[in-house]
Amino acid sequence: DARVTQTPRDKVTEMGQEVTMRCQPILGHNTVFWYRQTMMQGLELLAYFRNRAPLDDSGMPKDRFSAEMPDATLATLKIQPSEPRDSAVYFCASGLDQDVGPLFGPGTRLTVL
Amino acid sequence: QKEVEQNSGPLSVPEGAIASLNCTYSDRVSQSFFWYRQYSGKSPELIMSIYSNGDKEDGRFTAQLNKASQYVSLLIRDSQPSDSATYLCAVWSYGQNFVFGPGTRLSVLP
Repeated sequence: DARVTQTPRDKVTEMGQEVTMRCQPILGHNTVFWYRQTMMQGLELLAYFRNRAPLDDSGMPKDRFSAEMPDATLATLKIQPSEPRDSAVYFCASGLDQDVGPLFGPGTRLTVL
Repeated sequence: QKEVEQNSGPLSVPEGAIASLNCTYSDRVSQSFFWYRQYSGKSPELIMSIYSNGDKEDGRFTAQLNKASQYVSLLIRDSQPSDSATYLCAVWSYGQNFVFGPGTRLSVLP
């Protein structure tokens, strides 16, 4: 049963620290999404990759967030420096093509103190 | 900004009843439509997809799409307490991203 994996599952850090979240998409999937979910904002798209190329990162605060796919098996989302307002659950999702809904990983719950 | 709208709920239905969840979208060229279920503290789970006008049935779930009215719905027959969750509608348009609605919280009362 193929699944998207994410690490870490939980992260507590202090304001100003760097945070790196990792995602392993489902083997063979060519699209990767990073979403952030909060009670107030719901699911927000942060970044979207297709065949490892970034297609849309308009939802991402550029001054502190960065997303990369160094290879087809790894996607990363970095926050530097982190702020308390970044506290949320960050989901990675992967898909095969646009006609198939992306499948979500378990998420990383980030708490910035 | 393309929008997907849903009633936030909570929608409460008695066990065994039909739950009807609704979603409207603003982009007329949207092509693919999806329903996700999200239990509290868990990640969204894809439960239905629909691409053409009409109904699509899968077990107790039926998705309905009306592109002219820009409306997609999810019916859950014989609702069970285990169906209690937040249901997210997602829409995809060619050349665009998946856009999610805010979700409708469903509560099935025993």
